[in-house]
Amino acid sequence: GIQVEQSPPDLILQEGANSTLRCNFSDSVNNLQWFHQNPWGQLINLFYIPSGTKQNGRLSATTVATERYSLLYISSSQTTDSGVYFCAVRGGTSYGKLTFGQGTILTVHP
Amino acid sequence: DAGVIQSPRHEVTEMGQEVTLRCKPISGHDYLFWYRQTMMRGLELLIYFNNNVPIDDSGMPEDRFSAKMPNASFSTLKIQPSEPRDSAVYFCASSTLADSSTDTQYFGPGTRLTVL
Repeated sequence: GIQVEQSPPDLILQEGANSTLRCNFSDSVNNLQWFHQNPWGQLINLFYIPSGTKQNGRLSATTVATERYSLLYISSSQTTDSGVYFCAVRGGTSYGKLTFGQGTILTVHP
Repeated sequence: DAGVIQSPRHEVTEMGQEVTLRCKPISGHDYLFWYRQTMMRGLELLIYFNNNVPIDDSGMPEDRFSAKMPNASFSTLKIQPSEPRDSAVYFCASSTLADSSTDTQYFGPGTRLTVL
């Protein structure tokens, strides 16, 4: 099956700093999503981005499908950005299963 | 919309007992997914349904696990008998292909299961 690798595994920032999270995948994808899992465990959709670039406030994401990676940018980080960020992909042409990466644990200190 | 609803939010049970987890997908969504999250294995798909029909159950760990979707607004995941290694957070998610521009899976709050 498709492999998903996220980096870095851990990231510690001071409030106000910018960061870039990376997701590499081993095959072509027809679905790529970024999620934020907050300290209460809720998985929150950030972006559906199998290709191209999207922005939502301080967050933006870019997927270069031909090179099999996606980047999540967080600007002017806030303590509420803390949590785990997951990249999830679906490979091939079928529908259904998302394969999740292991996540990046982000801690933002005030 | 209320989003994906799961119950209970927390379940503590003893080894050998039957556990039933429940999920109500977002209205109008025709795909429903059950995932499990553990520290060791991360987030993994157990089973998913399309129009109430199980499509892929290859992630179901063993015969002790079963899932049903009797109608478009309700699904259950049952573990019988439960074992301590089943302790995890179980997520339900739903989606639809009706709008191909947003092929997004929406997750419920999860059920944290502890088997003693």
